[in-house]
Amino acid sequence: QVQLLESGTDVKKPGSSVKVSCKGSGGTFSTYVIYWVRQAPGQGLEWMGGVIPNFGTPTYAPKFLGRLTITADGSTSTAYMELTSLRSDDTAVYYCAFGGMTTLDFWGQGTLVTVSS
Amino acid sequence: QSALTQPPSASGSPGQSVTISCTGTSSDVGSYNYVSWYQHHPGKAPKLMIYEVNKRPSGVPDRFSGSKSGNTASLTVSGLQAEDEADYYCSSYAGSNSLVFGGGTKLTVL
Repeated sequence: QVQLLESGTDVKKPGSSVKVSCKGSGGTFSTYVIYWVRQAPGQGLEWMGGVIPNFGTPTYAPKFLGRLTITADGSTSTAYMELTSLRSDDTAVYYCAFGGMTTLDFWGQGTLVTVSS
Repeated sequence: QSALTQPPSASGSPGQSVTISCTGTSSDVGSYNYVSWYQHHPGKAPKLMIYEVNKRPSGVPDRFSGSKSGNTASLTVSGLQAEDEADYYCSSYAGSNSLVFGGGTKLTVL
């Protein structure tokens, strides 16, 4: 069974950047699509983007273009999500998920990122 | 890439059935049979309940079923149980390796 372990809670200042990690175990890392999804307080799930490790370039939701970078390190089975130029409305729980081309089969526990001055 | 439209809430009594709709466009739901449904208990990781419109992953009870007509997909939960109370989100493939979620529906078991 695939398990995903995300890095811990983080607090950032507006204008700064955050990098969240997601380490996978129990599966073959390179065979999954790695997704990042966020949920702002009181809001729904929002797809941010995804990447297939060692294959192709990441795909990002239009609203995050220029601010979001998703990477994956096959040697450590770890994926990363870096979001720059943080604003208060980036405060959210960020989830990583592994899955197929259109499904998010396994989810991490989520990482709370708070953006506050 | 706009969010899919879901009703904010739905409810039913134990044993009853409830259906949650998910309306998209001809660019997402209407064009692909790649609609998924996720169950999310607050504070926990979301769980895949339905994929490719009407397929259930191993371990998901057959009380959960999915369908699609045109630009609208639906999730039906039959024989409601207390543990079904959660937020439910639909998602659809939207082309160019992108996905889009619905706004979510809070299901209350009365």
